[in-house]
Amino acid sequence: QSVLTQPPSASGTPGQRVTISCSGSSSNIGSNFVNWYQQLPGTAPKVLIHSSNQRPSGVPDRFSGSKSGTSASLAISGLQSDDEADYYCTTWDDSLNGPVFGGGTKLTVL
Amino acid sequence: EVQLVQSGAEVKKPGESLRISCKGSGYSFTNYWISWVRQMPGKGLEWMGRIDPSDSYSKYSPSFQGHVTISADKSISTAYLQWSSLKASDTAIYYCAINTGLTQISSYFDYWGQGTLVTVSS
Repeated sequence: QSVLTQPPSASGTPGQRVTISCSGSSSNIGSNFVNWYQQLPGTAPKVLIHSSNQRPSGVPDRFSGSKSGTSASLAISGLQSDDEADYYCTTWDDSLNGPVFGGGTKLTVL
Repeated sequence: EVQLVQSGAEVKKPGESLRISCKGSGYSFTNYWISWVRQMPGKGLEWMGRIDPSDSYSKYSPSFQGHVTISADKSISTAYLQWSSLKASDTAIYYCAINTGLTQISSYFDYWGQGTLVTVSS
């Protein structure tokens, strides 16, 4: 059971916009930045969004993040087949004094 | 260029001991904590713990406390994750990761090792 809750799966057709939610509590999302990772099959995770809504250089602006209260979301617009991957939200947890991850969402591009 | 290079895949039997490594290069090794992250087959990411290479202080997730040991040798810029008695349930890919940002109090890991697959089977 992950500390952060994500839907196990999401899907969309090319060109569509999809959102992935991430729910936590006051000790984690409620008081810290959220980061999002993309993991392609057989590879290490890669930062997609940091500080809740900031994109590292090289990440397309089709990807955006937001946070409100104890929840966060990742939005992907203009869906492409290359976006098929697992997506994880993560944040610092003040009670654990360490990072916590969501269970991951498998995105399928139909 | 910052790089984290991990040791190769391992196949072990239950009860055996194991130490895997993560060598940092391209940065000052003592500047950033090194975290270890587990990914069991077909499952998500789990933070196991981290070490501050400057003083070797380690912090563990309660889920992994007492089951693994994290250490580092700053003279060779290498961090380690070790088990004294492996179980089949330790079968997973293990990643090391660092955060080169302004604060270490973060879940932001901008550099990852390539992962080490550990298989424990009789």
